[in-house]
Amino acid sequence: QVQLVESGGGVVQPGRSLRLSCAAAGFSFSSYGMHWVRQAPGKGLEWVAVISHDGSNEYYADSVKGRFTISRDNSKNTLYLQMNSLRAEDTAVYYCAKTTVLRFLGDYFAYWGQGTLVTVSS
Amino acid sequence: EIVMTQSPATLSVSPGERATLSCRASQSITTNLAWYQQKPGQAPRLLIYAASTRATGVPARFSGSGSGTEFTLTISSLQSEDFAVYYCQQYNNWPPWTFGQGTKVEIK
Repeated sequence: QVQLVESGGGVVQPGRSLRLSCAAAGFSFSSYGMHWVRQAPGKGLEWVAVISHDGSNEYYADSVKGRFTISRDNSKNTLYLQMNSLRAEDTAVYYCAKTTVLRFLGDYFAYWGQGTLVTVSS
Repeated sequence: EIVMTQSPATLSVSPGERATLSCRASQSITTNLAWYQQKPGQAPRLLIYAASTRATGVPARFSGSGSGTEFTLTISSLQSEDFAVYYCQQYNNWPPWTFGQGTKVEIK
C-alpha cells in the first residue's frame, strides 16, 4: 500500500534553513507528481508546492515563492522541500501528498503522509 | 486564484442526525472538487472526489453533490467517528490548489 513518511522537522530560528524529506513506498514514485501542503497550528490547510513526476515542472504558493524549493530523487523514492529564510508564519505541520493520475498534476490528493512539525522561533 | 468558502464554520449535530456542509467556489470549477476529513492529530483523509465519487473505503453515509460553484457534503446519520473537521478543495484551476477554511462538526 502507499506509504509516505515525512521527516526533517524541528525548531529553527527565523532566517535559517531546513530541509524536509518525504520517503515514498508502495507505488511507482517516478510516475506521479508530489505536493507539499502545510497546516499552521489550529488553522486550515494551505497548499505549498508541487513537482511533476520527472521534476521538470514546479509550482509554488506565493507565500513561499523564492524561499522554498521542491525537488525529488526518483532513484531514492524521496521528495524534498528546502526551506530558506524561514519566518515565524512558516510554523506548521508539513504534509507530503501524492497525486492520483499518472503523470498529471491537476487532481486531488488521495494519499497523505503523517506530517512533520516545523517551528520557527527564536 | 479560486477562493473556496465553507459554511458553517461549526456545525453542532446529535449522533444519528443528518449533517449538511456547504462549499462555494469563487468561480466555476465544474466538478473538480474534493472533500477531506481531518481528526485531531491526524493527516487529512480523502472522502469524496469529482464532487460526488466516494473514495475507497468511505462509508455510504457520506455523499457529495453539486457542480459549478455550489457543493454539498452530506453525512446521512452521524456516527461518533464522524465528528471532525471537513475541508473542500478545488483542483480545476491550478496553481494554486485551494482549500476552504474548514467546517468543524461537533457533538450537540
